[in-house]
Amino acid sequence: AQKVTQAQTEISVVEKEDVTLDCVYETRDTTYYLFWYKQPPSGELVFLIRRNSFDEQNEISGRYSWNFQKSTSSFNFTITASQVVDSAVYFCALSEATGGFKTIFGAGTRLFVKA
Amino acid sequence: KAGVTQTPRYLIKTRGQQVTLSCSPISGHRSVSWYQQTPGQGLQFLFEYFSETQRNKGNFPGRFSGRQFSNSRSEMNVSTLELGDSALYLCASSLVASGNTGELFFGEGSRLTVL
Repeated sequence: AQKVTQAQTEISVVEKEDVTLDCVYETRDTTYYLFWYKQPPSGELVFLIRRNSFDEQNEISGRYSWNFQKSTSSFNFTITASQVVDSAVYFCALSEATGGFKTIFGAGTRLFVKA
Repeated sequence: KAGVTQTPRYLIKTRGQQVTLSCSPISGHRSVSWYQQTPGQGLQFLFEYFSETQRNKGNFPGRFSGRQFSNSRSEMNVSTLELGDSALYLCASSLVASGNTGELFFGEGSRLTVL
């Protein structure tokens, strides 16, 4: 069965601090896809990144970076030099190739960035 | 390009009534998924449709149903409403034709309040 755990419920940082959001997943499939989504206060979920299980390369996009480690079943997300606009709820998600076209989400981590 | 459109955005119903929510996916997207979002349970998968066929269903009672039309628009229906059905119902569309590789594009949601 597929499962996504985001142990951090809320994180509060001061602007310009770096922050890492943790995500641990469980799956029996060898082929699967991991995602991060952002839900700002306005409410609409926005896709940030997708990784497949065969690509463990870390990725950097501006102030965002992702660390995918199959050995620890983790897909962590780091925001460098956080900004107030980064305040949102961040969701990690998992989709299995044989999972029947279903993406499941972690509980989310609420990030507060204070000026 | 228009995003995912959900209607109505807000609605109030009383226990025992039924409700129908509508979702228009992004043009060209044939997969539509529905999620229920509540503070306590987070994002829970309801069902996914592709080419008018339900390919997967989450762990919800039979009171929750859905369908997809030939133009990929989708509706979900909740009958005999209960207080616990109060939630934000999110629709998401995806471009993929098969497999689980695609990211989800979400609408703003329909916020249902059951009194």
